[in-house]
Amino acid sequence: GAVVSQHPSRVICKSGTSVKIECRSLDFQATTMFWYRQFPKQSLMLMATSNEGSKATYEQGVEKDKFLINHASLTLSTLTVTSAHPEDSSFYICSARAGGGGEQFFGPGTRLTVL
Amino acid sequence: QKEVEQDPGPLSVPEGAIVSLNCTYSNSAFQYFMWYRQYSRKGPELLMYTYSSGNKEDGRFTAQVDKSSKYISLFIRDSQPSDSATYLCAMRSENYGQNFVFGPGTRLSVLP
Repeated sequence: GAVVSQHPSRVICKSGTSVKIECRSLDFQATTMFWYRQFPKQSLMLMATSNEGSKATYEQGVEKDKFLINHASLTLSTLTVTSAHPEDSSFYICSARAGGGGEQFFGPGTRLTVL
Repeated sequence: QKEVEQDPGPLSVPEGAIVSLNCTYSNSAFQYFMWYRQYSRKGPELLMYTYSSGNKEDGRFTAQVDKSSKYISLFIRDSQPSDSATYLCAMRSENYGQNFVFGPGTRLSVLP
C-alpha cells in the first residue's frame, strides 16, 4: 500500500510552546489529508480535513486557531499545536487519501506530551 | 444510534482459531468499506478495502459485506499472536467528498 510518514514520532514540550507535526505522502499525491487525535484506548477522533491549496475544514469543537493546519503541497500537510497545554497531550495521526477509489492511508502517529 | 457500531471487546481467542470481527451501520448509502489494524501506539494499517456487497479474500483475511443487513465482517483464519491488535472498520458513500466514518474498534487478543 501507499506510505505516509509523520515527523516527529514523539515530542515532549513545555506548556505554552508550539509544536509542528509534519505529514507526508511518500509515493502518491494526496489531494486530501486528515488529522486525527486518539486518546489511550479510545477510537480515532477526526479533527480536520485539509485539501491542498485551501483552508482546512475543522470538526465541531476543534479550535482552528489552536490547531493550525497547512496543506501546502500534494505531499505535505502540517499541524501546529499552538500554545500547547497538558490537556493537548495525545496521539496525533494523519492520513492521506489517494485518488481513484479513495483509500485512506495512515501515518505512524506522533505522540505529544505537554509538561 | 451511532452511524457505525462495533463491539469494543476485548475479544480473546486461542492461537489458530478463526476470528470474526463485525460492524453494523445505519446509513444505507455506504458503498466503500475498509478494515484497519492498529497496534498499540501505532497508526492504523489498511488491511482490506471493498466496494459494495460481496466477499474479498487476501491471505488469511476475508472481508464480507452484506448491504441488505447493513453488516460487514472481517474473518481471520489461523489466527496468530501477532494478530493481537485493535481492528477498525470504516465506510463511506459514493460521494467522494465525504469522509470515511470509523467504528470505535475491537480489541483482539490471540493467546499462544
